[in-house]
Amino acid sequence: DIQMTQSPSSLSASVGDRVTITCRASQGISTSLNWYQQKPGKAPNLLIYAASSLQSGVPLRFSGSGSGTDFTLTISSLQSEDFATYYCQQSYNSPRTFGPGTKVDIK
Amino acid sequence: QVQLVQSGPEVKKPGASVKVSCKASGYTFTNYGFTWVRQAPGQGLEWMGWISAYNGNTHFAQNLQGRVTLTRDTSTSTVYMELRSLRSDDTAVYYCVRESELFGVIIFAYWGQGTLVIVSS
Repeated sequence: DIQMTQSPSSLSASVGDRVTITCRASQGISTSLNWYQQKPGKAPNLLIYAASSLQSGVPLRFSGSGSGTDFTLTISSLQSEDFATYYCQQSYNSPRTFGPGTKVDIK
Repeated sequence: QVQLVQSGPEVKKPGASVKVSCKASGYTFTNYGFTWVRQAPGQGLEWMGWISAYNGNTHFAQNLQGRVTLTRDTSTSTVYMELRSLRSDDTAVYYCVRESELFGVIIFAYWGQGTLVIVSS
């Protein structure tokens, strides 16, 4: 199975900050990498697919990059509604494993 | 629009079984596969297994092999997840997810609301 890691595991930031989250796969996965946002008590919501494509309806302040084993999710200017936990997921093969998550909270 | 509606919360004793349903609507049921994902309290997302709505083929996470069964009923557009020999660490919210494919990448764009399963004596 492909193992996914994320860093940091948590971060504190202020509204307006630029936030970057990193995801690493244990083997090359091309650009088969998705990012999800999850708020407490809710199902995850797809933000980015294929490493850098923005899902319909997701604000432009979210962006993704990377290929192979190293990927990044960037929030260009953090908004109050962005405080949540973010997960990467590889869709290169099955099982389509998730990273452990990065919790973004208010500084 | 695509909707996935899961069955309600369950409380089970250790050693028992639980069966969670997920009823799909808003699209042609047999065109897409389903994944089940669970999330223990305060923990991350765990991929459990996958079923083809077309032919019922399945694939399971190694750590759940032998305890989990996925089935589907095409007449009612419903998928089911049964977990047996429940333990306390099976306490979690269980999500059904309809897979889609965009530009060659499998995505999880549609999620059920989640079903809380509590395992406690």
